[in-house]
Amino acid sequence: EPEVTQTPSHQVTQMGQEVILRCVPISNHLYFYWYRQILGQKVEFLVSFYNNEISEKSEIFDDQFSVERPDGSNFTLKIRSTKLEDSAMYFCASGGGARTGSLNLAKNIQYFGAGTRLSVL
Amino acid sequence: GEDVEQSLFLSVREGDSSVINCTYTDSSSTYLYWYKQEPGAGLQLLTYIFSNMDMKQDQRLTVLLNKKDKHLSLRIADTQTGDSAIYFCAESAGRRALTFGSGTRLQVQP
Repeated sequence: EPEVTQTPSHQVTQMGQEVILRCVPISNHLYFYWYRQILGQKVEFLVSFYNNEISEKSEIFDDQFSVERPDGSNFTLKIRSTKLEDSAMYFCASGGGARTGSLNLAKNIQYFGAGTRLSVL
Repeated sequence: GEDVEQSLFLSVREGDSSVINCTYTDSSSTYLYWYKQEPGAGLQLLTYIFSNMDMKQDQRLTVLLNKKDKHLSLRIADTQTGDSAIYFCAESAGRRALTFGSGTRLQVQP
């Protein structure tokens, strides 16, 4: 069964360093998302991406964050200068299959990767 | 903004049914989801329901939706110790971002 894959599973970094979290979405999906979950808290939306541009973002997604789809398969989240409070589990999700014009509403379901645990020291 | 609320904890005995409840505020929700998260793991999509449905059954899982009251429930029949996890309710409108609840920790006693 197709799945969303994320690497690395755990990233440790020093405060102020740049990190790039990588995701390979499900291959025929067109919509890509990043969420984060601070330990013990809710899963929070960061950003969605469609047609090579950001379609929606939350107030968490400030200038320190950026997303990119550098090639046909990867979707990355970059944090320019990490802060202690960026420590969290980061989840990538994809959805929105390439079939259009059908009543296949399930194509909008979002499927999540296993996450990258980011630890900022 | 949108909000999703769940009770924090539920404890059941193995073999009993578990019912996890969720309420949401966004009347434009079109999809409602249940995700399962085991310790240290990712979010596993368990099931989902469209807002034009009121019930969906999938093996041991039954989802009930009361759109008028904006209430969603997940029933797990014959709960097993392997069902112990955190269960997240989430909603979205179309392809928009999911709004998650805080999660309900289900503990299954042998």
